[in-house]
Amino acid sequence: QQQVKQSPQSLIVQKGGISIINCAYENTAFDYFPWYQQFPGKGPALLIAIRPDVSEKKEGRFTISFNKSAKQFSLHIMDSQPGDSATYFCAASGRGSTLGRLYFGRGTQLTVWP
Amino acid sequence: ETGVTQTPRHLVMGMTNKKSLKCEQHLGHNAMYWYKQSAKKPLELMFVYSLEERVENNSVPSRFSPECPNSSHLFLHLHTLQPEDSALYLCASSQQARGGTEAFFGQGTRLTVV
Repeated sequence: QQQVKQSPQSLIVQKGGISIINCAYENTAFDYFPWYQQFPGKGPALLIAIRPDVSEKKEGRFTISFNKSAKQFSLHIMDSQPGDSATYFCAASGRGSTLGRLYFGRGTQLTVWP
Repeated sequence: ETGVTQTPRHLVMGMTNKKSLKCEQHLGHNAMYWYKQSAKKPLELMFVYSLEERVENNSVPSRFSPECPNSSHLFLHLHTLQPEDSALYLCASSQQARGGTEAFFGQGTRLTVV
């Protein structure tokens, strides 16, 4: 059973545009929602994360929007750049999951055209 | 350079070989993980170690054998693997917390079974 559902599977955006990736979860015990960025040949790296006590978190061009009632969260990349081309994973963890283990979405392959 | 180092970066092995993957974390974390990343599949958690004790084994075949001699080192011993075991194997570490917490990943070992 997929604990975290992510969409779209792939995304193509023009340089300067906004990239939006969505995730949904079922387990209300989750209390930590990170986004990871992965470049080819590299391991995933933490990009930005949010806890459910806030509805939005912004770091530079990256913003997480969180809707607790809908059990959804999304990543917005403003002014998308070719260097943002990578695979993005949403994840969730929290109380009830073994020792902070992360449940990952399937990933979104983002391509930003110059 | 991340705080989690994996060796080797690439490994090609025959189905009758025995090899080991090594992971070392320099972050002072007390939990370590092995993940498998296959093409077009979500990240699959294989094993979780907390304070050198295995606390989760997600129905991984016995041809994969983990070892955690101390909180900084994690091994994955491989023997009589199958071609479908070819994948990127990722090690991660985190600091246990009551709620969710971020995990730091290594660069991964790209394994090819021939």
